[in-house]
Amino acid sequence: AQTVTQSQPEMSVQEAETVTLSCTYDTSESDYYLFWYKQPPSRQMILVIRQEAYKQQNATENRFSVNFQKAAKSFSLKISDSQLGDAAMYFCAYRRMEYGNKLVFGAGTILRVKS
Amino acid sequence: GAVVSQHPSRVICKSGTSVKIECRSLDFQATTMFWYRQFPKQSLMLMATSNEGSKATYEQGVEKDKFLINHASLTLSTLTVTSAHPEDSSFYICSASTFRAGNTIYFGEGSWLTVV
Repeated sequence: AQTVTQSQPEMSVQEAETVTLSCTYDTSESDYYLFWYKQPPSRQMILVIRQEAYKQQNATENRFSVNFQKAAKSFSLKISDSQLGDAAMYFCAYRRMEYGNKLVFGAGTILRVKS
Repeated sequence: GAVVSQHPSRVICKSGTSVKIECRSLDFQATTMFWYRQFPKQSLMLMATSNEGSKATYEQGVEKDKFLINHASLTLSTLTVTSAHPEDSSFYICSASTFRAGNTIYFGEGSWLTVV
């Protein structure tokens, strides 16, 4: 079974600074998806970024980028120029590539942004 | 706007009664929907996978007779908490899967259930 590990229960970052959230996973599959979701206090799950395992290039979405190391099974999220609105719980998630498969979530990291 | 709508967003029910939560995909057909439960400051715990027209697949440890899931159409799945008890109080979230946009999963807004 696939597992996702987020080893940082909480992180803090100063506004405008950069922070990196860690995620490792375990799978025997060669093709899969990896995601970072943000859950603000409203509890709405928001997709931050997505990476297909077959793509070597790291995904980027504006201030958010990932460092995907397939061999090491590592998928960290870097948030640049942190903003107060980035404060949330962040979940790393894995999904097998076939349609209809479930998301496997990590335990989450609470990100606090200091002004 | 939201592509997956969940209703009600908050519900309070008396212990021993049943309560139904709906999950609708608004502008796409979702052959698969997922139901999660989330405790405060914890991750999402998958309860069951709901496939249209067939019985739901429950995760280990989830009581299928207590958490009834119905996926009668391609746009609607329901979760019914039967004979609710205070320990069933939680945040429940649904998500729907579609081939659109590369097999993306969309989440509903979630439902707070309080059993008194």
